[in-house]
Amino acid sequence: AQRVTQPEKLLSVFKGAPVELKCNYSYSGSPELFWYVQYSRQRLQLLLRHISRESIKGFTADLNKGETSFHLKKPFAQEEDSAMYYCALSSLYNQGGKLIFGQGTELSVKP
Amino acid sequence: DTEVTQTPKHLVMGMTNKKSLKCEQHMGHRAMYWYKQKAKKPPELMFVYSYEKLSINESVPSRFSPECPNSSLLNLHLHALQPEDSALYLCASSQDPWTSGNEQFFGPGTRLTVL
Repeated sequence: AQRVTQPEKLLSVFKGAPVELKCNYSYSGSPELFWYVQYSRQRLQLLLRHISRESIKGFTADLNKGETSFHLKKPFAQEEDSAMYYCALSSLYNQGGKLIFGQGTELSVKP
Repeated sequence: DTEVTQTPKHLVMGMTNKKSLKCEQHMGHRAMYWYKQKAKKPPELMFVYSYEKLSINESVPSRFSPECPNSSLLNLHLHALQPEDSALYLCASSQDPWTSGNEQFFGPGTRLTVL
């Protein structure tokens, strides 16, 4: 079964500290992995996708097929990074673009 | 126009009312989605329209009825809802559901309260 697991419901760090939001997935095939972010009172928006291998707002994420993980990292957290972060999986070959979301991790960056 | 818009922003309805939620995009996207989201929970997929045809219905109760009048517009008709249906209803669109790297663009949502 396809599944996305985000083990931390809440992650609290101080400004300037490194941050890592964990994401593990279960999928028999070639998944596409995404990180979406939802800032307070703003719409859900794409942060990163694994196929583009880019860095957005200082965040990076590497797909590790051996460990079936797609952890999100940032070396120095900023207060404006506080938000809900969702890891999501999409199948390349079927299901009409259906996204399977993890339960989300709330990141709180304290001053 | 590179945004998905949703109206109304807020809606309060009784259990016997009939109302509709509206979603619009002018990005030429051919897939549109309805999601339901509870506070601090991930969006739950309800329906997917691909090329204006319903392609996925995630076993949603019949009191929710989607409609896609054209490639830019998506409606969700509501009738005889229950208080537990109160949630944020999100619309999203994507360019083509069958290609890789298919980013979904989300609207701001309609906050629905059922009394």
